Amino acid sequence: TQTVSQSDAHVTVFEGDSVELRCNYSYGGSIYLSWYIQHHGHGLQFLLKYYSGNPVVQGVNGFEAEFSKSDSSFHLRKASVHWSDSAVYFCAVSPTNSAGNKLTFGIGTRVLVRP
Amino acid sequence: NAGVIQTPRHKVTGKGQEATLWCEPISGHSAVFWYRQTIVQGLEFLTYFRNQAPIDDSGMPKERFSAQMPNQSHSTLKIQSTQPQDSAVYLCASSLRDWGVEQYFGPGTRLTVL
Repeated sequence: TQTVSQSDAHVTVFEGDSVELRCNYSYGGSIYLSWYIQHHGHGLQFLLKYYSGNPVVQGVNGFEAEFSKSDSSFHLRKASVHWSDSAVYFCAVSPTNSAGNKLTFGIGTRVLVRP
Repeated sequence: NAGVIQTPRHKVTGKGQEATLWCEPISGHSAVFWYRQTIVQGLEFLTYFRNQAPIDDSGMPKERFSAQMPNQSHSTLKIQSTQPQDSAVYLCASSLRDWGVEQYFGPGTRLTVL
């Protein structure tokens, strides 16, 4: 069984600030890691994913995430946030050996970007 | 490309009534997933189809819930004898390949059971 922990329920930043959202996971095997964003009243939108290779992966809209095997982490970062980045961010894992890539999500981190 | 379409966007049922939720995946996507989102439980996997065949329903409540995919253009999630605890946002997602973690989500159907 895989678990995903997002330690920050809420994060408030000012426009132009950098932000880091933390994600830690536990699973004994090989997994895919991904981040999704959900704006209020909408479905989830894929941001980026990691499976292997360069531990820093780039996503849409200036987001990047860094995988650390030693820390079992996959933190999401953005250097300069925009008001439109206000949303809930979900970290997700999916075992590579499952019959299909059903996602197990963390509880989400709500980000509020103030002007 | 209209994205994943879910209808209705909102549904209100009385306790004990049936609710049917519809999902139209992105054309050409072979995998369709259903998830449920609540404040308390967060996002939970329900079931998954590959090329219309049911593959994994491990997240589906054993009673009252069923899902079908009669053709490649739509899937349905049916809840019989709805209960207040079924109130949630039901999200449908599709993926180009079933081993692709890049899933495209619909806007969801908010089900309220009175």
